[in-house]
Amino acid sequence: AQSVTQLGSHVSVSEGALVLLRCNYSSSVPPYLFWYVQYPNQGLQLLLKYTTGATLVKGINGFEAEFKKSETSFHLTKPSAHMSDAAEYFCAVSVVTGNQFYFGTGTSLTVIP
Amino acid sequence: NAGVMQNPRHLVRRRGQEARLRCSPMKGHSHVYWYRQLPEEGLKFMVYLQKENIIDESGMPKERFSAEFPKEGPSILRIQQVVRGDSAAYFCASSPDYSQETQYFGPGTRLLVL
Repeated sequence: AQSVTQLGSHVSVSEGALVLLRCNYSSSVPPYLFWYVQYPNQGLQLLLKYTTGATLVKGINGFEAEFKKSETSFHLTKPSAHMSDAAEYFCAVSVVTGNQFYFGTGTSLTVIP
Repeated sequence: NAGVMQNPRHLVRRRGQEARLRCSPMKGHSHVYWYRQLPEEGLKFMVYLQKENIIDESGMPKERFSAEFPKEGPSILRIQQVVRGDSAAYFCASSPDYSQETQYFGPGTRLLVL
C-alpha cells in the first residue's frame, strides 16, 4: 500500500525567502510522485512530477523537487517566495500497478509581505 | 483543448435529497477517477471508471453512493439521501490510458448539505 505524509500543515515564509514543503511517502514498489497546488475554491494544478530518470524535477512557477529514495522523500522547494505562491500544496503518490493517487493532507503556504 | 469539466460547481441540497455530479473528461481520455475532499483534509479516492465499466470502487461508501461512465456523455457521481457529512468538494480526474503517470483534475463540485 502507498501513503503520503506532509509535515507541517501550515508554513509561513517571507516574500523572497526560501520555500520548503516536506513530503515523505511509503510505497512497496517504485513510486510516481507528484506535487499539486490548489488555490481557494479551485481545482488541483500539477506543479511537477517524478516518474523515472533524473531525480531532480523542475516544475512550473520556479518550483522543483528532488526524489530521494533513501529518505523516501520528495520535498518541494522554491528559492524565492512570491505573494502569488500562497495556496494549498498537496503531495501525491501513485504506482504503475495501481488505480489511484494517494494524497497527503496538504500544506497551506502563507507568504508574508 | 478543454480541460476536465465538472458541473455544477456548487450544489446545495437538503438532507434526504439526491445529488448528481457530472464530469466530462479531457478529449481523448477514457479513464475517469472521482475523489472527495473533506474540509481540512486531502483528497481521498472514491472510484475509477472506464467507459461503461467500474474498475475500482474500493473508496466508495457502501450505501447511497454510485458512479457511472456511460458510452456517451459524462461520468455521473450520484449520492442518494444526502446527509450533512456528505458536504465536501468532489473532484473528478481523467487520464488518457491506464498509466498512473498523470491525472488531470477538474475544478470540483462543492456540495453543501443543509
